[in-house]
Amino acid sequence: QKEVEQDPGPLSVPEGAIVSLNCTYSNSAFQYFMWYRQYSRKGPELLMYTYSSGNKEDGRFTAQVDKSSKYISLFIRDSQPSDSATYLCATSYNTDKLIFGTGTRLQVFP
Amino acid sequence: NAGVTQTPKFQVLKTGQSMTLQCAQDMNHNSMYWYRQDPGMGLRLIYYSASEGTTDKGEVPNGYNVSRLNKREFSLRLESAAPSQTSVYFCASAGTEFFGPGTRLTVL
Repeated sequence: QKEVEQDPGPLSVPEGAIVSLNCTYSNSAFQYFMWYRQYSRKGPELLMYTYSSGNKEDGRFTAQVDKSSKYISLFIRDSQPSDSATYLCATSYNTDKLIFGTGTRLQVFP
Repeated sequence: NAGVTQTPKFQVLKTGQSMTLQCAQDMNHNSMYWYRQDPGMGLRLIYYSASEGTTDKGEVPNGYNVSRLNKREFSLRLESAAPSQTSVYFCASAGTEFFGPGTRLTVL
């Protein structure tokens, strides 16, 4: 079993939709949770960073961590075509050795 | 402020050849990382350096060596390239907050 599982998609939604991206992880000791966005042929860019459990909101993006079920989510409100990218979740005991999911490819069509 | 830069952007090697991937950051970060990204495998940590003068193995270090030349630069060396090392290589700094643009390496 992989330590972090993520559905590869692709996920295709119309512009304006609410997008839900999810990951599960296996190790209850993980404390740091990140979401990255990666455009085609580019490096990942950090979108959201959460320590321990709870919600974090930044503009149209909300990150959620449920440690009891080992489930992390990223919600995108009012999705735009410019949100079309691959979204990677990552987790770790500390920030030095992140374990990444395989990424979910999102396509937002006009 | 260029962030994290990587050279080269693309490289094709033959099996057994050696090469060094270069990474530099101008943000005065202590920690730097090398990852590889393969389809269906996600990003996997090869080596990291918590500070100048220190390096540690990550998840997939076999076949690679690294050098933390100074605070700015962290290089990754393939001594004898193998087809299994065909991948996209990313350098990152500051707790993986900043990634470089990547190097696409093909080993024939």
